[in-house]
Amino acid sequence: GDSVTQMEGPVTLSEEAFLTINCTYTATGYPSLFWYVQYPGEGLQLLLKATKADDKGSNKGFEATYRKETTSFHLEKDSVQVSDSAVYFCALSDRNYGQNFVFGPGTRLSVLP
Amino acid sequence: NAGVTQTPKFQVLKTGQSMTLQCAQDMNHNSMYWYRQDPGMGLRLIYYSASEGTTDKGEVPNGYNVSRLNKREFSLRLESAAPSQTSVYFCASSEGVSGGQETQYFGPGTRLLVL
Repeated sequence: GDSVTQMEGPVTLSEEAFLTINCTYTATGYPSLFWYVQYPGEGLQLLLKATKADDKGSNKGFEATYRKETTSFHLEKDSVQVSDSAVYFCALSDRNYGQNFVFGPGTRLSVLP
Repeated sequence: NAGVTQTPKFQVLKTGQSMTLQCAQDMNHNSMYWYRQDPGMGLRLIYYSASEGTTDKGEVPNGYNVSRLNKREFSLRLESAAPSQTSVYFCASSEGVSGGQETQYFGPGTRLLVL
């Protein structure tokens, strides 16, 4: 079945450092790919998404590019802030699964001032 | 708009007790979902409802039942709680029209502790 693998962390960075969180996927169809963010004590919020190969999703300075050839959707940000401290989830949605999502285990990011 | 709301925020149960987690959305979405979140395991789908009047099992349905009361509301029931059901439960919704490539919107979660 479909699956999502992401680096588990935790990841600790200093403010203004460059961030990469790796995500790779396995899917039988042509999935859409998502990054969700969960701040402490809250539900998941959509950060960005891409629906087809070579699409780039971006939001709040975060970017991720849908790479079909490497089945990857790595999250990047040039300069992280303390307020970016959260758990980040990579996810896919595959037509073959109806409306079901498959989530990665999440990566906890801590940004130190 | 409130989006997706869940009640209660936190609950403690004893083994064998029952309870219902409530979820409501005000976005006129067709599809609704229940997930559980456990450390290191991401989110796992318990049940979903693709449209009003239908429900289907997800990855981990054992020990749970659901009711899609109307288009807005989707409840999750634990008939006889077990310590293994200690988790954080999230409800989500999506428009439910484009067949599996939609954004899901999440509620704030219910933290459940079963002693």
